[in-house]
Amino acid sequence: QKEVEQNSGPLSVPEGAIASLNCTYSDRGSQSFFWYRQYSGKSPELIMFIYSNGDKEDGRFTAQLNKASQYVSLLIRDSQPSDSATYLCAVNGSGNTPLVFGKGTRLSVIA
Amino acid sequence: DTAVSQTPKYLVTQMGNDKSIKCEQNLGHDTMYWYKQDSKKFLKIMFSYNNKELIINETVPNRFSPKSPDKAHLNLHINSLELGDSAVYFCASSQEYGTGGTNEKLFFGSGTQLSVL
Repeated sequence: QKEVEQNSGPLSVPEGAIASLNCTYSDRGSQSFFWYRQYSGKSPELIMFIYSNGDKEDGRFTAQLNKASQYVSLLIRDSQPSDSATYLCAVNGSGNTPLVFGKGTRLSVIA
Repeated sequence: DTAVSQTPKYLVTQMGNDKSIKCEQNLGHDTMYWYKQDSKKFLKIMFSYNNKELIINETVPNRFSPKSPDKAHLNLHINSLELGDSAVYFCASSQEYGTGGTNEKLFFGSGTQLSVL
């Protein structure tokens, strides 16, 4: 069974701080990794994807991937109250399999 | 223009009824999905169609029957609704499937909140 694990939180950070969200996955053959943000009562929206080891930056967001450790993370710099949401990690497994989602980490940015 | 649209947004019904949820995407994608999100926010794949053909059918009761009349539409029919079916159902689409690349990124509809009383 391919699994994606996330700490459910809530993760509370003060406004302006760096929020660090972590995700581990079990399928060593996974190739693509996605971070979705889901506001309460809304649908998930894609904010980052990464498929190579290392860092990928997009504005205040940085995704980090370490395939050897089977670990992917999302950093949010200068966190804002509007970043408060549930962040879902999704991993594309090896072979003909759909994206597998983690259970999400709830982030709360305190003003 | 909404990329992935599903209707209805809310569905309240009695146990034992039959209901349908419709989904349409105008992104020209080949693959469409149904996901179920439970009260703990866990998003789980139910079905996937690629060019109108069923490619994923997870362990879902056979009371749930998907139907894809063309690659832009994927509907979900549920027979004999049960209390445990209450959840948010999301339709999604992706450009490709099974390539392992970023074209598998999902675009979600706004969800259907199903409440079975």
